[in-house]
Amino acid sequence: AQRVTQPEKLLSVFKGAPVELKCNYSYSGSPELFWYVQYSRQRLQLLLRHISRESIKGFTADLNKGETSFHLKKPFAQEEDSAMYYCALSSPNAGKSTFGDGTTLTVKP
Amino acid sequence: GAGVSQSPRYKVAKRGQDVALRCDPISGHVSLFWYQQALGQGPEFLTYFQNEAQLDKSGLPSDRFFAERPEGSVSTLKIQRTQQEDSAVYLCASSLGTGGMGEQFFGPGTRLTVL
Repeated sequence: AQRVTQPEKLLSVFKGAPVELKCNYSYSGSPELFWYVQYSRQRLQLLLRHISRESIKGFTADLNKGETSFHLKKPFAQEEDSAMYYCALSSPNAGKSTFGDGTTLTVKP
Repeated sequence: GAGVSQSPRYKVAKRGQDVALRCDPISGHVSLFWYQQALGQGPEFLTYFQNEAQLDKSGLPSDRFFAERPEGSVSTLKIQRTQQEDSAVYLCASSLGTGGMGEQFFGPGTRLTVL
């Protein structure tokens, strides 16, 4: 069974501080991993996916197959980063996606 | 351009009533997904369509839940004999390609409250 765990429900940092949102997964095989973000009063949207190896809004995420993790990192948090972040896993060639329960990030001034 | 739209945005139903939730995906998107999101939890997969074919309905919690996408565009999620535990936000998402590997574009959701 596929599972995504985000151990922190809430995370609070000061502006300019580094931030890391943790994501661990359970899957037999090679999954596709994503981070989605939901800003206040907006809909869920893709932030980044591991296959594209991009840096979006200063965020990066590295897939660690040994530790089955896909942590989201940003070296200097900004107030506009305050949002709900969801880690998600998809099976290649299948439709089902599994989401974690999300981490609410608050960046304080 | 227009994104994914869902209607109604809010629905209050009495226990035992049937409800129908509509999703209009982005034009041309092949894949369509339905999710159920309970308060404080992440979206939970319900079902997946590739065009008009329902390829995965493993997440539907009971036979009271039924989804269709007869012409490969608009989709309807129907819940029969609603129960209080059905109260949740129902999210629809669409994707240009097939399967779950591409970016999913989400609608605003329908908040269902069952009294």
